[in-house]
Amino acid sequence: AQSVTQLDSQVPVFEEAPVELRCNYSSSVSVYLFWYVQYPNQGLQLLLKYLSGSTLVESINGFEAEFNKSQTSFHLRKPSVHISDTAEYFCAVSVLNVNTPLVFGKGTRLSVIA
Amino acid sequence: DSGVTQTPKHLITATGQRVTLRCSPRSGDLSVYWYQQSLDQGLQFLIQYYNGEERAKGNILERFSAQQFPDLHSELNLSSLELGDSALYFCASSPSGDNQPQHFGDGTRLSIL
Repeated sequence: AQSVTQLDSQVPVFEEAPVELRCNYSSSVSVYLFWYVQYPNQGLQLLLKYLSGSTLVESINGFEAEFNKSQTSFHLRKPSVHISDTAEYFCAVSVLNVNTPLVFGKGTRLSVIA
Repeated sequence: DSGVTQTPKHLITATGQRVTLRCSPRSGDLSVYWYQQSLDQGLQFLIQYYNGEERAKGNILERFSAQQFPDLHSELNLSSLELGDSALYFCASSPSGDNQPQHFGDGTRLSIL
C-alpha cells in the first residue's frame, strides 16, 4: 500500500523568504504525485502534479516541486512567499495506471509572517 | 470555483440522528469521491463512485453509506451519529477517476452536539 509522509506539520516563514515543504512517499510501484492547497474555509485545490516527463513541475503562482525517485520525495518549494500563500498544503500519491484513490499526507500548515 | 457544489455548507445536529450530504460534480465528471477531514485523522478517503457504481471503498464506517444517481450527483448518508463524526466532509470529482486530478467542493461542516 502507498503512504505519504509530510515531515512538518507547521512551517512559519517570513514574507519574501524561500520555503520548502517536504513530502516523502512509500510505494513499491510507480506513482503519480500531487500537491493540493487548502485556503481557510475552502476545499482543496490542485496546485501541481507529476505524472511523467520532466521531474520538475511548476504551478502558475510560483510554486515548484521536484520528483526524486531515488529519494522517494516530492518536495514543494517557492523562492519568495507572500502573505496570500498562507494555507494548508497536502501531498498526495496514486498508483500509476491503476484506479486507486489518492492517498493524502496529513498536511503542512504554512504561515507567512509579515 | 472548482465547479463541484456541496450542500449544505453547515449542518448541526444531535447524536443518534441521521443526515444526508449532497454533492454535484463538475459538468462532465463521472467519478465522485467522498472524504472526511478532522483534526486528529487528517483527510480520510471514504468512498468513490463512477458513473453510478461503487468503485473504491476506504475508511467508511458501516453507519455511513453513499450513492450516485443517474444525473451523477451523489449523496452521503450518515446515521446513528456520534460526537466523533463531527468533521468536514468533502466531495471531489474527476472525469473518469484513473489517476486524474480531483476537483474538490468547499465541504460540509458537520457538528454533532
